[in-house]
Amino acid sequence: ELKVEQNPLFLSMQEGKNYTIYCNYSTTSDRLYWYRQDPGKSLESLFVLLSNGAVKQEGRLMASLDTKARLSTLHITAAVHDLSATYFCAVGGVDSNYQLIWGAGTKLIIKP
Amino acid sequence: GAGVSQSPRYKVAKRGQDVALRCDPISGHVSLFWYQQALGQGPEFLTYFQNEAQLDKSGLPSDRFFAERPEGSVSTLKIQRTQQEDSAVYLCASSLSGRNTEAFFGQGTRLTVV
Repeated sequence: ELKVEQNPLFLSMQEGKNYTIYCNYSTTSDRLYWYRQDPGKSLESLFVLLSNGAVKQEGRLMASLDTKARLSTLHITAAVHDLSATYFCAVGGVDSNYQLIWGAGTKLIIKP
Repeated sequence: GAGVSQSPRYKVAKRGQDVALRCDPISGHVSLFWYQQALGQGPEFLTYFQNEAQLDKSGLPSDRFFAERPEGSVSTLKIQRTQQEDSAVYLCASSLSGRNTEAFFGQGTRLTVV
């Protein structure tokens, strides 16, 4: 059974600092997604990672995937207040064409 | 439409009442998903449609939950005889097709059962 674990679950940081959110999963996967959710809002797709070693960057966010270690990271560079949100990773198992298993989310608060 | 639209945005139901939640996916999207999101948790899969075919309903928590997508576009999630534990945000998502495409989410329906 595929299980997904994110850490930390809560992160408070200062503007300008760097930090990394981790997403571990328990069985083989060939696709991983990162989403952002603002309070009371829906989920916004950030990155789709489909292969080992994949790295994608958008602004101050960079995501990577290591399928051998069953680990994805979401790195935040020089954080700004606008990045405050909850970040989720979602992982698809190789035996399912569509079902995703979601992490519990990392609530990120960036203080000015 | 421009995005996935869900209605109503908020629903308060008395315990035992039936509710129907509507999802309008992005036009042309083959795949449609329903998720349940409890407060402070990640979404949990409920059911999946490919066009009008419900290919997986393994995540529906009980036989009180029923979903349909009769013409392959709009979908309705129905909950009969609501219970307090049904209180959650119900999210609908659609994707173009295929297993590697990203899903686009609606804003959800927050259901509160009192």
